[in-house]
Amino acid sequence: GAVVSQHPSWVICKSGTSVKIECRSLDFQATTMFWYRQFPKQSLMLMATSNEGSKATYEQGVEKDKFLINHASLTLSTLTVTSAHPEDSSFYICSALGRIGEKLFFGSGTQLSVL
Amino acid sequence: GENVEQHPSTLSVQEGDSAVIKCTYSDSASNYFPWYKQELGKGPQLIIDIRSNVGEKKDQRIAVTLNKTAKHFSLHITETQPEDSAVYFCAAKAAGNMLTFGGGTRLMVKP
Repeated sequence: GAVVSQHPSWVICKSGTSVKIECRSLDFQATTMFWYRQFPKQSLMLMATSNEGSKATYEQGVEKDKFLINHASLTLSTLTVTSAHPEDSSFYICSALGRIGEKLFFGSGTQLSVL
Repeated sequence: GENVEQHPSTLSVQEGDSAVIKCTYSDSASNYFPWYKQELGKGPQLIIDIRSNVGEKKDQRIAVTLNKTAKHFSLHITETQPEDSAVYFCAAKAAGNMLTFGGGTRLMVKP
């Protein structure tokens, strides 16, 4: 299967700071990437859809000014959590559509802890 | 929009036994049904998928069945091993590239 790399795998930051998470498709070009948030023992919650070269589409209830998404190339999408607060602590996961455009491959996730 | 229900939420089996996880979906236009395995602290891993023009697909110890008429699909794991312990998610895709996920099943395989 296709490889999606996500970094960092975990990050601890102080309240008020910004954190950037990178998602790379290593062996294929991904025109569409997705960002999810997952709370303990819960399912994946779609935050936004990221298309290369265009603005991300955010799901209802997700603050676009707080969760900045950039998809500047066919292999890289970034999520920046701006002015992070403890309630933003969560497991964030990116995914990318594979070559055929049907199979969805996930990164390894980023555990964010805001103190 | 699509709605995917997954049962059971937790499943405990003895090593060597079979495990079955069931999902139902609401949108009859859905045509692609993947299953993901998520281990603790990691991202979901695609383990098997099936398209709507196929009724069953098997890959070694795992198999997926699809009943389009009833709008449900199932994951079957035979000869379970402790390393099969994880959370499993089903998903369905209708129009576009959006996947809708089930709530997840925590599988525990007791040695």
